[in-house]
Amino acid sequence: SQKIEQNSEALNIQEGKTATLTCNYTNYSPAYLQWYRQDPGRGPVFLLLIRENEKEKRKERLKVTFDTTLKQSLFHITASQPADSATYLCALDPMDSSYKLIFGSGTRLLVRP
Amino acid sequence: DGGITQSPKYLFRKEGQNVTLSCEQNLNHDAMYWYRQDPGQGLRLIYYSQIVNDFQKGDIAEGYSVSREKKESFPLTVTSAQKNPTAFYLCASRSGVIGNQPQHFGDGTRLSIL
Repeated sequence: SQKIEQNSEALNIQEGKTATLTCNYTNYSPAYLQWYRQDPGRGPVFLLLIRENEKEKRKERLKVTFDTTLKQSLFHITASQPADSATYLCALDPMDSSYKLIFGSGTRLLVRP
Repeated sequence: DGGITQSPKYLFRKEGQNVTLSCEQNLNHDAMYWYRQDPGQGLRLIYYSQIVNDFQKGDIAEGYSVSREKKESFPLTVTSAQKNPTAFYLCASRSGVIGNQPQHFGDGTRLSIL
């Protein structure tokens, strides 16, 4: 079956450290993978998109990698801050021309001051 | 500012009652989506629409209905047939068909049972 999985356990780190979140998928061959941030009681907000031919994408303190062999994307936040505390969702396009995105269940990040 | 507006923010439903959640966008996007989010779970697709006057069922359409009479509007009705409607409902839109377009979300409606 097709699945997209993120670690359901919260990631708890100290301010200033690098947070690394994982997104694994099976039985998809996405050309793109996206990452979103969701704060409690709010809708997700788009952060970054990475294409299958891009190994790495950066935006300020954020870095995303995409390994189509491992079927995995890693999302890094360097020099983390308490304001980075949120749930982070990955999403992929199933490439079926349906306009749909398939979302993972998200990983909650807690950054301690 | 362009964006998606969902209303109301909180909604309470009585037994046997249908309720309608509003979603309006001024982004000129063709595609619109409704998701349901339960605590600790991901987004589950209820319905989506790629163009005006057309929509398709998502993964959990039973007990829900939608309409798409205007490009800007995609209301969701939670019918009495939906026996477990308590959840956070999110509306989204997207401009293009290929996967390099992000989805833009509203801030959700939280539906509870009285």
